[in-house]
Amino acid sequence: GESVGLHLPTLSVQEGDNSIINCAYSNSASDYFIWYKQESGKGPQFIIDIRSNMDKRQGQRVTVLLNKTVKHLSLQIAATQPGDSAVYFCAENDNTGNQFYFGTGTSLTVIP
Amino acid sequence: KAGVTQTPRYLIKTRGQQVTLSCSPISGHRSVSWYQQTPGQGLQFLFEYFSETQRNKGNFPGRFSGRQFSNSRSEMNVSTLELGDSALYLCASSLGQGARSPLHFGNGTRLTVT
Repeated sequence: GESVGLHLPTLSVQEGDNSIINCAYSNSASDYFIWYKQESGKGPQFIIDIRSNMDKRQGQRVTVLLNKTVKHLSLQIAATQPGDSAVYFCAENDNTGNQFYFGTGTSLTVIP
Repeated sequence: KAGVTQTPRYLIKTRGQQVTLSCSPISGHRSVSWYQQTPGQGLQFLFEYFSETQRNKGNFPGRFSGRQFSNSRSEMNVSTLELGDSALYLCASSLGQGARSPLHFGNGTRLTVT
C-alpha cells in the first residue's frame, strides 16, 4: 500500500525561551540513551547521552532527564536560539548489540 | 578530527540496477553502522560492522549487504533496486568496544530509484 509519512510532533518556541522535547520508549531493557539533532540536508548530530544509572545529565545549554519508571526521556534546551531549529531524535540501546532504536523525531521551530 | 564521510552525496538509479555506497569512519573508530532513513519509516537499522565482521543485522532483505575493510572503511551494496529503496542512507561510526559510545553520523547518501 501507499506509505504514509510519519507525523512528526512539532514544537514552536520563541527565541530565548526554554524548550522541552519529550520521548517515550517501550523497551524496559534499554539502558543507554542519546539525543540527536538533525538539520535539513545533514545527518543526525550527537547532542548528549545518558546511561540508566543516572536520571539527569547536563551539557552546554542542554539537560537530559531520564525517568525509568515511566520509560520517559526529555531534552531541555535553555535560551533557545534560531540555530536550534531542527528535528530532534531520541535513540535507545539495550546492550544486546550496537544497534540503536530511534524515535520518530520532534520538529523544533524557533521564532525570532 | 575529520567526521564521518559518505560518498556520493546523491545518486539516481533505475529499478533493477545495483548501487554501492561508501563510508569513511572517524579515525580510530572501528564500528560502522548503516541506517536507512525514510519519511515513512524513520531511521531503520541495516547492519553493523566491527573489525571487518558483521556483528548485527537489521530486518532488511538479502539485497542489502555490506562489508568493512581493514582500515575500517565500509561499503554497502543494494542489488536489484526497487522504488521503495529510495531513501537517505546514513553511515555512523563509533568506538565499538568497551563502554558503549554514541554513534557519529555522516551526512548521508540520498538515493533515488526511478
